[in-house]
Amino acid sequence: GESVGLHLPTLSVQEGDNSIINCAYSNSASDYFIWYKQESGKGPQFIIDIRSNMDKRQGQRVTVLLNKTVKHLSLQIAATQPGDSAVYFCAVNNAGNMLTFGGGTRLMVKP
Amino acid sequence: EADIYQTPRYLVIGTGKKITLECSQTMGHDKMYWYQQDPGMELHLIHYSYGVNSTEKGDLSSESTVSRIRTEHFPLTLESARPSHTSQYLCASSESMGRANEQFFGPGTRLTVL
Repeated sequence: GESVGLHLPTLSVQEGDNSIINCAYSNSASDYFIWYKQESGKGPQFIIDIRSNMDKRQGQRVTVLLNKTVKHLSLQIAATQPGDSAVYFCAVNNAGNMLTFGGGTRLMVKP
Repeated sequence: EADIYQTPRYLVIGTGKKITLECSQTMGHDKMYWYQQDPGMELHLIHYSYGVNSTEKGDLSSESTVSRIRTEHFPLTLESARPSHTSQYLCASSESMGRANEQFFGPGTRLTVL
């Protein structure tokens, strides 16, 4: 089955710096990738997604990069703000078109 | 903001009690899901549904059961709660398309079984 892992359980960045959160997946047939943000006491919220026919997609202050060769996905947050503090999850579709979630990276923003 | 609701938000209950966690969505989504999540940890799929009268077990074995009598409603029931059921339960829904797509999550129910 699909396995999804994040490289770091915790990431601490200075306010204003850029943040990069990485994710690795195992199934080369996966074709849909999504990043969620989860704040304390809330459900996960959609940030950005990308399909396998693209290798980069940009949103407001966020960019997702997909490297299908090494099965790696990253989320870049520009000019990180205190409101960006949360746990970030990547998720990848599996054979049943369900989502398999990674373990989450806690982003802490230092003022 | 996603139109998916969960009640109660917090529940503290004694061992052996029967509980039902409610989940409703107003987006007309066919697919609905229940996940179990320990704080800050990954989400584990315990149940899902493709539509009315459809229920399937997820990757993580769970003693809970679900029903899908109406499109908008996907309740989860524990017949006899135990301390090992203490966790956060997240409900989600998505459009029924031929390919994977975004799941919209509710705020979660944090369950504590004493």
